[in-house]
Amino acid sequence: EVQLLESGGGLVKPGGSLRLSCAASGFTFRSYSMNWVRQTPGKGLEWVSSISTSGSYKHYADSLRGRFSVSRDNAKNSLFLQMNDLRADDTAVYFCARDVNTWNDALGAFDIWGQGTVVTVSS
Amino acid sequence: DIQMTQSPSSLSASVGDSVTITCRASQSINTHLTWYQQRPGKAPKLLIYLASTLQSGVPSRFRGGGAGTDFTLTVTNLQSEDFATYYCQQSFDTPYTFGQGTKVEVK
Repeated sequence: EVQLLESGGGLVKPGGSLRLSCAASGFTFRSYSMNWVRQTPGKGLEWVSSISTSGSYKHYADSLRGRFSVSRDNAKNSLFLQMNDLRADDTAVYFCARDVNTWNDALGAFDIWGQGTVVTVSS
Repeated sequence: DIQMTQSPSSLSASVGDSVTITCRASQSINTHLTWYQQRPGKAPKLLIYLASTLQSGVPSRFRGGGAGTDFTLTVTNLQSEDFATYYCQQSFDTPYTFGQGTKVEVK
């Protein structure tokens, strides 16, 4: 079964850090660009970051660049999101999501999503 | 950033109805437009990408159209499992951006 499973969410104080992980199974992970998307009741769905198949190319939402860092380990079928200097408005459900196309033909459309991990930033 | 505006924000319909949701981009995005369905407590589900390409396994009662700045998602013969929130998303350029969502409710 094709699956993504996020972990690493939790409660963190403002200014703190968290590292989210996303474990992939059931498909050839190294063949797909991967993404992080977050969702809050107030702001809806917000794309956070994407990373190419090799990890060479990374993109971030403008407001997050410098605080968040995406990476992947193709040998371990895993995607990561390092989040630093967290703020209250980073509170959200964070999803990892797979691009619908393989290799260099990423479309920016996401066909497989994890169940999400909750990040709460509060003192 | 490219802004995506959906309308309406909510609508009421009955089983068997047809509904149409509109998504407008703040600039031309060619056909780099994706539609998702999301049920409460679940992750979004890909319905349509490249404006009109139906994702494998999605029923043919879902139809997407449009190009440039104006796009539509039409659901014909609405079924009970179709009552959900629908989002559009552009992938013409990063940052990818989503519409605010359209909730389809039972009349």
